[in-house]
Amino acid sequence: SYELTQPPSVSVSPGQTASITCSGDKLGNKFACWYQQKPGQSPVLVIYQDTKRPSGIPERFSGSNSGNTATLTISGTQAMDEADYYCQAWDNTVVFGGGTKLTVL
Amino acid sequence: QVHLQESGPGLVKPSETLSLTCTVSGASISSYYWSWIRQPPGKGLEWIGYIYHSGSTNYNPSLKSRVTMSVHTSKNQISLKLISVTPADTAVYYCARQNPTGSHPLDYWGQGTLVTVSS
Repeated sequence: SYELTQPPSVSVSPGQTASITCSGDKLGNKFACWYQQKPGQSPVLVIYQDTKRPSGIPERFSGSNSGNTATLTISGTQAMDEADYYCQAWDNTVVFGGGTKLTVL
Repeated sequence: QVHLQESGPGLVKPSETLSLTCTVSGASISSYYWSWIRQPPGKGLEWIGYIYHSGSTNYNPSLKSRVTMSVHTSKNQISLKLISVTPADTAVYYCARQNPTGSHPLDYWGQGTLVTVSS
């Protein structure tokens, strides 16, 4: 079965750029999307089709996908961006990465 | 605005059947795929499967032998049944709308419902 691997944690200072990676075999040949989940809340889609932002998602969220790695980038990270982030792809089933806890400190 | 609401028992005994319903408003169930996802306490997301309004399904192979999903078009509802549950099935269960293009993003989620498996 297809697997996606994320780092368990990433730390970033306020105002800096955070990058969260998601690795999978030939992931660049598929589309990736990303979810943000804050404690006690449901996940929210922040990036789909590798680079697209749903309505209402701030421009500081961006995505890329090439080779074996998809990356979620948060520019000018704010305290409110502290959350768990999950990547997801489609391989005839929905596949999630294990999640990355983003700490803003 | 699309809204999804899960409902069902919060406590299920081991070996019994977990049954949940997801009521959709603001969108017709006769479009898109509709998925169930679960999240054990403190852990990551696990996709359970999806159902289309025609009744066609696609289940996570790891749960396929225990899962049944149904669609109730007239009520704009989907349902989930998971048989022979164990404490490992304790999780927050979410329903979500799955867009069947590209990465199949889950673009609208319910608030989730915690189901505890315990005697």
